[in-house]
Amino acid sequence: SAVISQKPSRDICQRGTSLTIQCQVDSQVTMMFWYRQQPGQSLTLIATANQGSEATYESGFVIDKFPISRPNLTFSTLTVSNMSPEDSSIYLCSVEGGQGYGYTFGSGTRLTVV
Amino acid sequence: GEDVEQSLFLSVREGDSSVINCTYTDSSSTYLYWYKQEPGAGLQLLTYIFSNMDMKQDQRLTVLLNKKDKHLSLRIADTQTGDSAIYFCAEKGDYKLSFGAGTTVTVRA
Repeated sequence: SAVISQKPSRDICQRGTSLTIQCQVDSQVTMMFWYRQQPGQSLTLIATANQGSEATYESGFVIDKFPISRPNLTFSTLTVSNMSPEDSSIYLCSVEGGQGYGYTFGSGTRLTVV
Repeated sequence: GEDVEQSLFLSVREGDSSVINCTYTDSSSTYLYWYKQEPGAGLQLLTYIFSNMDMKQDQRLTVLLNKKDKHLSLRIADTQTGDSAIYFCAEKGDYKLSFGAGTTVTVRA
């Protein structure tokens, strides 16, 4: 299955600033997924990133707040913009590992906004 | 739509079996997954089952699927302290995963 390198692993940011999270995959994948896990909660899909097209956002998430780049088939970034304390969460990227391999997740970025 | 439900907590004695239950609503789910999340860590895929299977066994893990009742369970045999974690079930719909709220498993000596 794919191996994902995600960074930073954690950060503490001032409100009003932005943070860009990077995910690098060791193989080419069509779709990459970005999730948010709020404290004590389950995972919620933010958006799906396809190479060469705009990301598809889930209900409740907008591009201005969470811009995504997907410059090639092995890399994606998620930016959390104009942060507020409510954005404090773990953000995870994920890829599908191929038929029968399940979805692989990055180790996550633990974001604290102060 | 997708809706996945799990019980929130399970306490089990070391050496006993743990059974974590999950229900889902999307009858078109193709794959169902179990993930493990240890404190401060990401999600680790434990096992999965294809929707046309009833059971899958992988070492200490047994997955049972009742497609008629849309019920999924994960049994961990001989539970160890290292099994203490949050366990998420997830279903694959058309393109994305939908997760349950997670079951916190605590293993006591």
